[in-house]
Amino acid sequence: AQSVTQLGSHVSVSEGALVLLRCNYSSSVPPYLFWYVQYPNQGLQLLLKYTTGATLVKGINGFEAEFKKSETSFHLTKPSAHMSDAAEYFCAVSVDYNQGGKLIFGQGTELSVKP
Amino acid sequence: DSGVTQTPKHLITATGQRVTLRCSPRSGDLSVYWYQQSLDQGLQFLIQYYNGEERAKGNILERFSAQQFPDLHSELNLSSLELGDSALYFCASSPSRLAVGNEQFFGPGTRLTVL
Repeated sequence: AQSVTQLGSHVSVSEGALVLLRCNYSSSVPPYLFWYVQYPNQGLQLLLKYTTGATLVKGINGFEAEFKKSETSFHLTKPSAHMSDAAEYFCAVSVDYNQGGKLIFGQGTELSVKP
Repeated sequence: DSGVTQTPKHLITATGQRVTLRCSPRSGDLSVYWYQQSLDQGLQFLIQYYNGEERAKGNILERFSAQQFPDLHSELNLSSLELGDSALYFCASSPSRLAVGNEQFFGPGTRLTVL
């Protein structure tokens, strides 16, 4: 069965510092991987996704993630944090072709940005 | 704005009651997904419909049911409500039947509080 583990339920960084949110997945077949962001009282918005091809994926708002098959990881990074990045971030995997492409989410990481 | 609408935004009800949550997908999207977000279970896939037919089922309780209508809007029915059903319920839509690798667009959610 597929699963996603996000290391760290809370991450705090200073404005301008590097953001690193960790995600590891478990899958017996090549996965499709996603990062979604949830701002307070809002729905989820796609940041970026990995399907096939280039393993370094660039997303919106300056975020990027690298798919590392050998490490079964898909960590999310941003070189310089902004106050507006404060939100909850979810890593998700979608592999189940016979199950309609449902998303399996990690537990989420809440990012705080200090001025 | 994802283009997915959900009503109502908030719902407060009592144990044992029945409620209906409504979702309108993005124009042209045929797949509708329902997810439940709670503090203890995180984000979990409930059920998917594609063009009016049930396509995939997740951790959906027998007290819960859903359907997708000819105009493609979907309703999630929750009955015999328990305190533990209090959660944020998201609807997402996608143009594809499988949606594997495709983005799912999330609505703003319906917050259900069971007292």
